[in-house]
Amino acid sequence: AQSVSQHNHHVILSEAASLELGCNYSYGGTVNLFWYVQYPGQHLQLLLKYFSGDPLVKGIKGFEAEFIKSKFSFNLRKPSVQWSDTAEYFCAVRGGGSYIPTFGRGTSLIVHP
Amino acid sequence: DAGVTQSPTHLIKTRGQQVTLRCSPKSGHDTVSWYQQALGQGPQFIFQYYEEEERQRGNFPDRFSGHQFPNYSSELNVNALLLGDSALYLCASEGGGATYNSPLHFGNGTRLTVT
Repeated sequence: AQSVSQHNHHVILSEAASLELGCNYSYGGTVNLFWYVQYPGQHLQLLLKYFSGDPLVKGIKGFEAEFIKSKFSFNLRKPSVQWSDTAEYFCAVRGGGSYIPTFGRGTSLIVHP
Repeated sequence: DAGVTQSPTHLIKTRGQQVTLRCSPKSGHDTVSWYQQALGQGPQFIFQYYEEEERQRGNFPDRFSGHQFPNYSSELNVNALLLGDSALYLCASEGGGATYNSPLHFGNGTRLTVT
């Protein structure tokens, strides 16, 4: 079965610091990759997605993620975080013949002003 | 506006009781999935409904059952509640019968507490 690992469970940064959140998955075949974000008091929403083509994908609010097939990774990055980026971030993977996505356990990001 | 609406927002039940949670998908969406999110964990897939039938099921016991109505709305039923069923229950919808490319649209969830 597909598994997704998010190694950073809690991250605390100051505004303007750079962010990188790790995501690794277990399936070796074709995958579709997603990052979702949950802001305090809000629903989970899509941040960005990768299906094919350029492995560097850009999402909303200045976020980007890079798909590295050889490392089974899809890390999320932002050059300069803002206080408003405080949220839970979830990596999700679809593949292995199932269109049901598997989610990682999430990373809680706190950005201090 | 989430697009996907869930009710109720919070629920407190006693062990052994039964609960029904409800979900209306985003307009134009025909596929509804239910997830359980325990504290500090990511969403765990319970099951998916499409064309009023359970299409796929995760690793959850038969105490968890569901239904989809002709208007695409859905219910999640949990019987014989256990303390471990306490969690946030998320409903997610997507259109086109669900594809590899379609992202999920989530509701705000129902927080279930079992005492």
